[in-house]
Amino acid sequence: AQSVTQPDIHITVSEGASLELRCNYSYGATPYLFWYVQSPGQGLQLLLKYFSGDTLVQGIKGFEAEFKRSQSSFNLRKPSVHWSDAAEYFCAVGLGGYNKLIFGAGTRLAVHP
Amino acid sequence: GAGVSQSPSNKVTEKGKDVELRCDPISGHTALYWYRQSLGQGLEFLIYFQGNSAPDKSGLPSDRFSAERTGGSVSTLTIQRTQQEDSAVYLCASSFGTRVTDTQYFGPGTRLTVL
Repeated sequence: AQSVTQPDIHITVSEGASLELRCNYSYGATPYLFWYVQSPGQGLQLLLKYFSGDTLVQGIKGFEAEFKRSQSSFNLRKPSVHWSDAAEYFCAVGLGGYNKLIFGAGTRLAVHP
Repeated sequence: GAGVSQSPSNKVTEKGKDVELRCDPISGHTALYWYRQSLGQGLEFLIYFQGNSAPDKSGLPSDRFSAERTGGSVSTLTIQRTQQEDSAVYLCASSFGTRVTDTQYFGPGTRLTVL
């Protein structure tokens, strides 16, 4: 069955530090992968997505993610975190057919000044 | 332009009552999805619409849940005889189509609390 695992429930980093959020997926076919961010009281916003081609994907707000098929991973990174990045981050895999999204449990990011 | 809107933003109800949650998708979006975000369950797919039809209702938790979409636009999610385990944030998303390249845009959600 398709699934997405985000091993870290909660992460705290200092402002200006680098960030990596982990995501592992289980999917038999070529995965379509997404990262969404949810700020307090807001809906989910798409950060970036991977369908095919270059395995390093650039997104909005300075985020990037790297698809590694051998590790079934799609980790999200940012070189320097800003206080406004504090939010909850969701990794998802999109199922072909009608793009049903299967989400991970989310990682809540806290940023210390 | 306007994004996906949902109403009400918050709903508190008593166990056993029926509730209706509304979603207004982005104009022109033919696909509409409902998800539920609850503690311990994360984000789970409930149902999706292509136009006014719902080809996949597999995520609806029980027959107390139903949804409809009219005019290819507004959708209503109805929960009958609410239970405490129905307490969650209900999110709606819409997209231009159903290809994986069609980005899903999410509304702010309706927080449902069943007392």
